[in-house]
Amino acid sequence: EAQVTQNPRYLITVTGKKLTVTCSQNMNHEYMSWYRQDPGLGLRQIYYSMNVEVTDKGDVPEGYKVSRKEKRNFPLILESPSPNQTSLYFCASVGLSFDEQFFGPGTRLTVL
Amino acid sequence: GQSLEQPSEVTAVEGAIVQINCTYQTSGFYGLSWYQQHDGGAPTFLSYNALDGLEETGRFSSFLSRSDSYGYLLLQELQMKDSASYFCAVNYGNNRLAFGKGNQVVVIP
Repeated sequence: EAQVTQNPRYLITVTGKKLTVTCSQNMNHEYMSWYRQDPGLGLRQIYYSMNVEVTDKGDVPEGYKVSRKEKRNFPLILESPSPNQTSLYFCASVGLSFDEQFFGPGTRLTVL
Repeated sequence: GQSLEQPSEVTAVEGAIVQINCTYQTSGFYGLSWYQQHDGGAPTFLSYNALDGLEETGRFSSFLSRSDSYGYLLLQELQMKDSASYFCAVNYGNNRLAFGKGNQVVVIP
């Protein structure tokens, strides 16, 4: 079954405590992305990756890092989280022709 | 920057047809996607139009006119389970997606 998994699903943390949200896909897709979703703003792209070791900034990259060491994994790293990073985060995996797109279940992050 | 406009909310009865429009202004254009999202859930991909015209997938169809920078999603034979938010997104190059804010569809009996 085609799947994108994210962990954790829920996280409450404090300002400045480094955290990583993992994302993994089993479809051998080249393209992966991270988004955040905030009320009234829709989905905004944080980072994207076109292949292993190829990553680039999206629209709201400040305060985030990513890595793509293997095709299946695309973790999102918050080195020093701040309250304005409280949000709902989605990882997505996309096939080359864009007619296959899958989102992970989401990670609800609260930074106190 | 990228700009996508969608109307905010639509209410319709079961069995009806609803059209959700999306107009866009982006720096590049490679295709238009549509997604469904239920409250608290992840977005579900519905369709992707790279070329002009209508594409039909079951009860849902999607249309694109690149010359008008416009597309729509057509939901037919509405069911209660179709109550959700629907949003469009433009692929403006290199896996860059710009999303609309979404359109809430409420289906009533």
